[in-house]
Amino acid sequence: AQSVTQPDARVTVSEGASLQLRCKYSYSGTPYLFWYVQYPRQGLQLLLKYYSGDPVVQGVNGFEAEFSKSNSSFHLRKASVHWSDSAVYFCALSAYQGGRALIFGTGTTVSVSP
Amino acid sequence: DAAVTQKPRYLIKMKGQEAEMKCIPEKGHTAVFWYQQKQSKELKFLIYFQNQQPLDQIDMVKERFSAVCPSSSLCSLGIRTCEAEDSALYLCSSSQSAGGDTQYFGPGTRLLVL
Repeated sequence: AQSVTQPDARVTVSEGASLQLRCKYSYSGTPYLFWYVQYPRQGLQLLLKYYSGDPVVQGVNGFEAEFSKSNSSFHLRKASVHWSDSAVYFCALSAYQGGRALIFGTGTTVSVSP
Repeated sequence: DAAVTQKPRYLIKMKGQEAEMKCIPEKGHTAVFWYQQKQSKELKFLIYFQNQQPLDQIDMVKERFSAVCPSSSLCSLGIRTCEAEDSALYLCSSSQSAGGDTQYFGPGTRLLVL
């Protein structure tokens, strides 16, 4: 069965510091991987996605993620966070191509302190 | 940015009442998904439509929910008899079916069952 694990429920970082959010997936085939962000009282916004090719993918607002097949991971990074990056971040897996349901991790709440 | 619309944004029902929420998918998208999110945690897949036809759904939806997409520009999710456990944020997403897996989410309908 497919699954996504985000081991860190909550992360607190200082403004200007770097951020890494961990994501591990379980899927025997080739995964399609996503990172979404959810701001308070809003829906989900896509940060970036990985289908194939270069394992490092660039997203919006300075975020990037690195895919590792050997580690079954898709970690998200940002070099320097801003207070506006405070939100809940979800890693998600799509096991099929062509519009199938996403499998989400439990999310990581990021708090950026001044 | 993609624009998936959901209405109403907030819904309050008494236990035993019927609830209905609507979703207008992104123009040109043929796949529509509904997810349930409780307490800002992981998203739970409910049902998936492709070209207005339901292709996958969980047992809970079959038993207590009603979901239709009467047109490519409107879908609805209903709960026949609301229970306290149905209190959640209901998120609708849409995607292009042909070779595209990225799902774009609406702001959600927050349901409170008293």
